[in-house]
Order: sequence, then structure tokens, then C-alpha cells
Amino acid sequence: GAVVSQHPSWVICKSGTSVKIECRSLDFQATTMFWYRQFPKQSLMLMATSNEGSKATYEQGVEKDKFLINHASLTLSTLTVTSAHPEDSSFYICSARDSSSYNEQFFGPGTRLTVL
Amino acid sequence: AQTVTQSQPEMSVQEAETVTLSCTYDTSESDYYLFWYKQPPSRQMILVIRQEAYKQQNATENRFSVNFQKAAKSFSLKISDSQLGDAAMYFCAYNLGYGGSQGNLIFGKGTKLSVKP
Repeated sequence: GAVVSQHPSWVICKSGTSVKIECRSLDFQATTMFWYRQFPKQSLMLMATSNEGSKATYEQGVEKDKFLINHASLTLSTLTVTSAHPEDSSFYICSARDSSSYNEQFFGPGTRLTVL
Repeated sequence: AQTVTQSQPEMSVQEAETVTLSCTYDTSESDYYLFWYKQPPSRQMILVIRQEAYKQQNATENRFSVNFQKAAKSFSLKISDSQLGDAAMYFCAYNLGYGGSQGNLIFGKGTKLSVKP
């Protein structure tokens, strides 16, 4: 089945630093990937839609200059949290569409970000 | 705008018993897809079951089945013979496409299911 990986699975960083999270589709090509944020005991909140070769589309209220998304290839999308602060601490999940399988979305295992 | 509502923040079931999780949604579309996702403590999202709105027959996947009431815009999940491994957060979701192929999945707030041995 389709597999999506995320790296790292857990990252701790100091306030003010930048952190990059990778989302990879391992056995399929994904023209579209989604980035979600999930606070403890809450649902997934869509942050942005990442399209290969074009600019990401951000949801209302999400700062595009703070959460930089790059979808440079059909198997990789990256989310960079710039100048991270403690309030950015959260669980970040990506999903990728498999265009060869009804455009079905498959989810990565998530990345836990802790900003000190 | 489409919305998905899960009115049960938490549910509990005895092992081997049956439990039903509720979900309602709002849409003006006639053709769409509904999903139940499971998120265990590992936080990995797992697709449990999918229902196509144009199909009258309720979807089933082993111990998991749905009660889809299109007119009432209701989509409940029934888990039979509950197992300890069923303990997780369950999210109801909506999309216009088969696997979430049309835009993003719209999620409910989730129901935390506990299974008692």
C-alpha cells in the first residue's frame, strides 16, 4: 500500500530557530500534499495545500512567511517553521494524494515539535 | 460551507461489546464521500471505512459498519465485538472525492473511544 513518511518524528528546538519537516511519498507520486496541525486532544487543522511546482495555498489565519512550504518534487514536500516560538509547539501531520489510486489521501505518521 | 459534527467527545465500551459513534454533516452537494479515520496513540491516521453518498447500501469492513442516512445527513460508525486495540480517537470526515481527491478532507472534532477489559 501507499506509504508516506515524515522526518523527523520528533524535534526539540530553541526559541528563535528554524525547523524543517519533510514529508515523502515512498512508493507513489504526489502532485498534492496537505499539511495539518493538531493540538492535544483536538482535531486536525488544515494549514496549507502544497502543489508540486507551484506556490502553496494557505488557509486563513496561517502565516505563510512563518510556515514555509516547498513542494519541489513529486515525492517530497517540506514545511519549515521559521523563528519558532513555544506556541508553535504542536503535532504536524502531512498527507499525500496518490494520483494512481483515485487520488486517495494517505497520511504520514506525524512530527512532534517542541519549542523551548 | 461543509461542516462535520461529532457530538460525543468521549465514549466507552466493554471488550466484546458493540459501540456506535455518531457523526452528522452539512452539505449542499448530492454526491460526496464520508470517511471514518482512526488515530491510535501512535497518532498515525488510519482509514477505517468509506461511504459513497450515491450508494444506498451501508459500507462494512469486518467488525466496522456504518449507518448512513443521507436525508438526515447522519453517518454513524458501529464497532462490533470491540477489542482493546480499537481504543483510539475516531474522526469522521467529508470530501467530494473518493479518497479525499477534491480539496482537503473536512474533519469532525473527534471521539475518544476507550475499551474496558
